[in-house]
Amino acid sequence: QLVLTQSPSVSASLGASVKLTCTLSSGHSRYAIAWHQQQPEKGPRYLMKINSDGSHNKGDGISDRFSGSSSGAERYLTISSLQSEDEGDYYCQTWGAGIVLFGGGTKLTVL
Amino acid sequence: QVQLEQSGAELKNPGASVKVSCKASEYTFAPYAVNWVRQAPGQGLEWMGWINTDTGNPTYAQDFTGRFVFSLDTSAATAFLQISSLKAEDTAIYFCARDMAARQGIDYWGQGTLVTVSS
Repeated sequence: QLVLTQSPSVSASLGASVKLTCTLSSGHSRYAIAWHQQQPEKGPRYLMKINSDGSHNKGDGISDRFSGSSSGAERYLTISSLQSEDEGDYYCQTWGAGIVLFGGGTKLTVL
Repeated sequence: QVQLEQSGAELKNPGASVKVSCKASEYTFAPYAVNWVRQAPGQGLEWMGWINTDTGNPTYAQDFTGRFVFSLDTSAATAFLQISSLKAEDTAIYFCARDMAARQGIDYWGQGTLVTVSS
């Protein structure tokens, strides 16, 4: 069964870097995923798509501070030089066999 | 710049129906599929299904069969979500979201429509 697992929360200091992880379930390690950001009281925004080989393509206007990578069944979103506006929820999303699936989301707190 | 503009917030009584619109602009409507996503208060994103903008064929996620209907007005580049027999637990923000070409993930989102079901 296709499942995406994310840590519920993470915190990091202003100006630091943070790496968020999205883990694909067993047998699905070759799936691509997309990362979406949801700032407080706003709708989601597409950040980037990450393929199993680590290649990624960002959405329009997404800062260079956001980057993506991949290792096995894990897909990562790294945010560098954290700013206060990076605080919010981050969701990974995948698709296949006619369905779309979201991870449970990671709440990022910028200290 | 691709835009998905959704209709405004709705307050409905239990048992009523609601129709949410999602108007696309700044791109050719077909062949990009439109997804519908629900976010209940304080909860995560839940995929409801999608509609093929070429054929109008909808596909519903398992938990969204029966009372939920996706439709299109392709001449107006608009997708619709209709929910009938509304219940309190349908209270949520509903988002439309465009798929990338060949259904390779969501790349644009509407701003969301809050539907509140309360007597």
